[in-house]
Amino acid sequence: EVQLLESGGGLVQRGGSLRLSCAASGLTFSSYAMSWVRQAPGKGLEWVSGISGSGGSTYYADSVKGRFTISRDNSKNTLFLQMDSLRAEDTAVYHCAKGSAYPYYYYYMDVWGKGTTVTFSS
Amino acid sequence: EIVLTQSPGTLSLSPGERATLSCRASQSVSSTYLAWYQQKPGQAPRLLIYGASSRATGIPDRFSGSGSGTDFTLTISRLEPEDFAVYYCQQYGTSPFTFGPGTKVDIK
Repeated sequence: EVQLLESGGGLVQRGGSLRLSCAASGLTFSSYAMSWVRQAPGKGLEWVSGISGSGGSTYYADSVKGRFTISRDNSKNTLFLQMDSLRAEDTAVYHCAKGSAYPYYYYYMDVWGKGTTVTFSS
Repeated sequence: EIVLTQSPGTLSLSPGERATLSCRASQSVSSTYLAWYQQKPGQAPRLLIYGASSRATGIPDRFSGSGSGTDFTLTISRLEPEDFAVYYCQQYGTSPFTFGPGTKVDIK
């Protein structure tokens, strides 16, 4: 069974930084595209960022481009999201999610983690 | 960026009825790269449909997807009590891979 477990959320202030992690198990991690998706309180889903299996291709939502960086360590089956220059509107539950397998990396998500919460502190 | 619009915002139906949810894209979605998800309160989303019409593993056949280009539909043939939830469409053909705002299916 594929499992995804996010960590690293917490309270942040304007302009602060956080690094989210997602530990994956039950799959050949390096073979799969991965994404981060967030959901602000009471709001809908927002796709944030995606990365190919090798890490060679990365994609971002316009709202986070230049502030967030997605990466992965395939030797440790872990996905990361480095979040810098945080804003109040970044407050959300952040889910990591698994996409499709090599060689066709598609960014729909068939397995989701429960999420980690990022809260803006004024 | 491709903007997805979902209608209606809320659909009030009774168990056993048919639900038809619409997702419209601001420009053509490449190669029918359109997915549908179900989300219940306090839970992570669940993939229902990918490739516009392919059911994900374990999804009952009362869920079906159709459409191409800019117009897509999710149909639930006969609503079961567990189907009352929020449904999102997502396009993954062109980055950024955007979601629609969701349709809430609630009990009439």
